Amino acid sequence: GESVGLHLPTLSVQEGDNSIINCAYSNSASDYFIWYKQESGKGPQFIIDIRSNMDKRQGQRVTVLLNKTVKHLSLQIAATQPGDSAVYFCAEKQGGYQKVTFGTGTKLQVIP
Amino acid sequence: GAVVSQHPSWVICKSGTSVKIECRSLDFQATTMFWYRQFPKQSLMLMATSNEGSKATYEQGVEKDKFLINHASLTLSTLTVTSAHPEDSSFYICSARLAGGPQDTQYFGPGTRLTVL
Repeated sequence: GESVGLHLPTLSVQEGDNSIINCAYSNSASDYFIWYKQESGKGPQFIIDIRSNMDKRQGQRVTVLLNKTVKHLSLQIAATQPGDSAVYFCAEKQGGYQKVTFGTGTKLQVIP
Repeated sequence: GAVVSQHPSWVICKSGTSVKIECRSLDFQATTMFWYRQFPKQSLMLMATSNEGSKATYEQGVEKDKFLINHASLTLSTLTVTSAHPEDSSFYICSARLAGGPQDTQYFGPGTRLTVL
């Protein structure tokens, strides 16, 4: 079936550097995408979202890029901090449906 | 605002017993709640969608008689794992959609760790 997947299971970055987490999706009908952060033993925390009519959206220290041509989504974290260490999931949703499908997740490790 | 709680946060039970997990929207009304299961180092898998006052919609492969869902009010949904077995040990997470809010907005609870001995 169609699914959302990630390229890198683990990403290690130096504190202060920028992080880029990638995600590939296969459902061309998806029109809404979300990035979540999940710390160990906790529920997912919303970071940022983007709709398919946009290709870039910025938040505080985070930017999401969407390339519909190649069905690729990325999350950029500027000046990565130790508190950013967590597992990051991309998720996708198709308009008219309530179901949100989660990708496999990338573990971000920030090296002090 | 938009806080979702779960109770208990963790539970250990014996094989064959039933366990009830509560999901509450504390400061908003949720017409729809979702139940997910997450195994260690894996992603969240949707189990079922629960609409207030109606039967839950289960995802393919999820046994509705084993995972009983009740959504009797706009602020409470419960998941009961019946006759639990060790393979049911997992992290169960609920989310709630704000009634009248953007269709895409889901707020997640902190999760419940279930361990079946």
